[in-house]
Amino acid sequence: GENVEQHPSTLSVQEGDSAVIKCTYSDSASNYFPWYKQELGKRPQLIIDIRSNVGEKKDQRIAVTLNKTAKHFSLHITETQPEDSAVYFCAAGTGNQFYFGTGTSLTVIP
Amino acid sequence: DAGITQSPRYKITETGRQVTLMCHQTWSHSYMFWYRQDLGHGLRLIYYSAAADITDKGEVPDGYVVSRSKTENFPLTLESATRSQTSVYFCASRIGQLTQPQHFGDGTRLSIL
Repeated sequence: GENVEQHPSTLSVQEGDSAVIKCTYSDSASNYFPWYKQELGKRPQLIIDIRSNVGEKKDQRIAVTLNKTAKHFSLHITETQPEDSAVYFCAAGTGNQFYFGTGTSLTVIP
Repeated sequence: DAGITQSPRYKITETGRQVTLMCHQTWSHSYMFWYRQDLGHGLRLIYYSAAADITDKGEVPDGYVVSRSKTENFPLTLESATRSQTSVYFCASRIGQLTQPQHFGDGTRLSIL
């Protein structure tokens, strides 16, 4: 099955700075790459996703890039705010299911 | 989202006991999933279902049983609970194909003593 690796496991940034989270995947057939945000004690929520036929996607302060050749994709958060503090999970998959990375705990320091 | 509900929210039980976690969705989504979340492992898929009466194994199915007699319900049963199954369990649903949004329930925190 798919193996998704995510780095770093923890990340601290000053408010207003950018944050970057990187993931790699193993299965070249994977064609869908969602990102989820999970606040403490809450459910994971989809924040952005990208399909394999697209190299980059933006939604306000959030962007995701995909390099199919290298099999890696990244989440970029610009102008970080304290409410961005959460655990972020990448995922990769094809067919019926996707597989999650192990998560990045992001802390935005006011 | 109120459309997917898990019960109970918290459960404490003992090793060897059977426990069933419930998941109910009101959207008539075709796909339903069960994940477990453990520190250092992220979210791992236990079982999923593409439709009523169709279930399939995920990454970590051992020790779990699922059924889906109705589209809206997808219970997860631990037939003989072990301490290693202490975890937070999330149910999720999706309307159809992989690229459709997948919605999660609030989770069940299960402790096995």
